[in-house]
Amino acid sequence: QKEVEQNSGPLSVPEGAIASLNCTYSDRVSQSFFWYRQYSGKSPELIMSIYSNGDKEDGRFTAQLNKASQYVSLLIRDSQPSDSATYLCAVNIANRDDKIIFGKGTRLHILP
Amino acid sequence: GAGVSQSPSNKVTEKGKDVELRCDPISGHTALYWYRQRLGQGLEFLIYFQGNSAPDKSGLPSDRFSAERTGESVSTLTIQRTQQEDSAVYLCASSLGGGRSYEQYFGPGTRLTVT
Repeated sequence: QKEVEQNSGPLSVPEGAIASLNCTYSDRVSQSFFWYRQYSGKSPELIMSIYSNGDKEDGRFTAQLNKASQYVSLLIRDSQPSDSATYLCAVNIANRDDKIIFGKGTRLHILP
Repeated sequence: GAGVSQSPSNKVTEKGKDVELRCDPISGHTALYWYRQRLGQGLEFLIYFQGNSAPDKSGLPSDRFSAERTGESVSTLTIQRTQQEDSAVYLCASSLGGGRSYEQYFGPGTRLTVT
């Protein structure tokens, strides 16, 4: 059974601090990793994709991938109240680039 | 450009009735996915279409669920003889597919309530 695990939270972070969201996955040969943000009552929105080990930065967001340890993380710098949402980690199924599994998400709450 | 669109946005139906949900993918996207999200739960994969290949139906929960897609355009998800447990948000996503990119972009969803 392929799995993507996330802490459900809620994770509470003061405004302006760094929020760190973590995800582990079971399929050692997965190659594609995605972070989605989902506001309450809305559909998921793709915010980051990462395919190689290391860091990928986009504005206040940094995705980190460590394939040897099978984890991927998302850092949000200078957290804002508008970052309060559920963050979904998604990972492709081995040999199926076209099919991804979603974690259940981590609820993030930025404290004003 | 236009994103993924879904209709209706909300649907209330009586138990036992059939419902049809529609998805219009992003133009040029060959891959189309349907997911279900129950209240407070994660995304549950239902079915996947890629171009003219046979669909991956491995996530359909019962034979009451079916989906069709015409070419690389509109898809409809049909739920027959609806049950209260079918109440959920049904999300459609599309991606370029075909070995180019599998980043999935979601529509706004259809909220189905079975009374």
